Amino acid sequence: GAGVSQSPRYKVAKRGQDVALRCDPISGHVSLFWYQQALGQGPEFLTYFQNEAQLDKSGLPSDRFFAERPEGSVSTLKIQRTQQEDSAVYLCASSLGRTVDSNQPQHFGDGTRLSIL
Amino acid sequence: GENVEQHPSTLSVQEGDSAVIKCTYSDSASNYFPWYKQELGKRPQLIIDIRSNVGEKKDQRIAVTLNKTAKHFSLHITETQPEDSAVYFCAASKMGFQKLVFGTGTRLLVSP
Repeated sequence: GAGVSQSPRYKVAKRGQDVALRCDPISGHVSLFWYQQALGQGPEFLTYFQNEAQLDKSGLPSDRFFAERPEGSVSTLKIQRTQQEDSAVYLCASSLGRTVDSNQPQHFGDGTRLSIL
Repeated sequence: GENVEQHPSTLSVQEGDSAVIKCTYSDSASNYFPWYKQELGKRPQLIIDIRSNVGEKKDQRIAVTLNKTAKHFSLHITETQPEDSAVYFCAASKMGFQKLVFGTGTRLLVSP
């Protein structure tokens, strides 16, 4: 596709439910990132993949958060036993990132707005 | 870890005026500094970026300057237009650590 695609655009869940958010990066982009953006704030890093390898998960707030990218393309961010503080916009970004040492421009998707009731 | 501070938090200008947004960073190893524009409910859109081996970069009405010694960088928008109204975020990252650390954002309002 032309850009990073995320689904669903909106997700409402009850506290305690599990949710799964999908990200389809730009074709050919090796690096994939997940960020969390609270209302009125800047995006905050969650995790980073180089192909299928998860190289940095230092931003995941708890072990309820899990991300995967099994074939090095589409990625899924899963949140288990959701809590109200998980409500936020979850943004996915991708970059060419052909080497770990290269900081390539990151291109964002429209995000998934998650609301936990 | 890296910390990025951004100011002002809000900026109101008249159409045609210039706007300047400033950011400071804490980690001297940071070497890549992008700027994003985010309209309400939309994705952050990369508008310009600069690497630490240059001091200034310009793209039409937008320019970014970098002072590595002082560890700050600025976004300059000239001849502002109402469609420039949005929230602007600066960010920083360092080689080998791909993650972007974002500032807190500046809400720019351009009045006709």
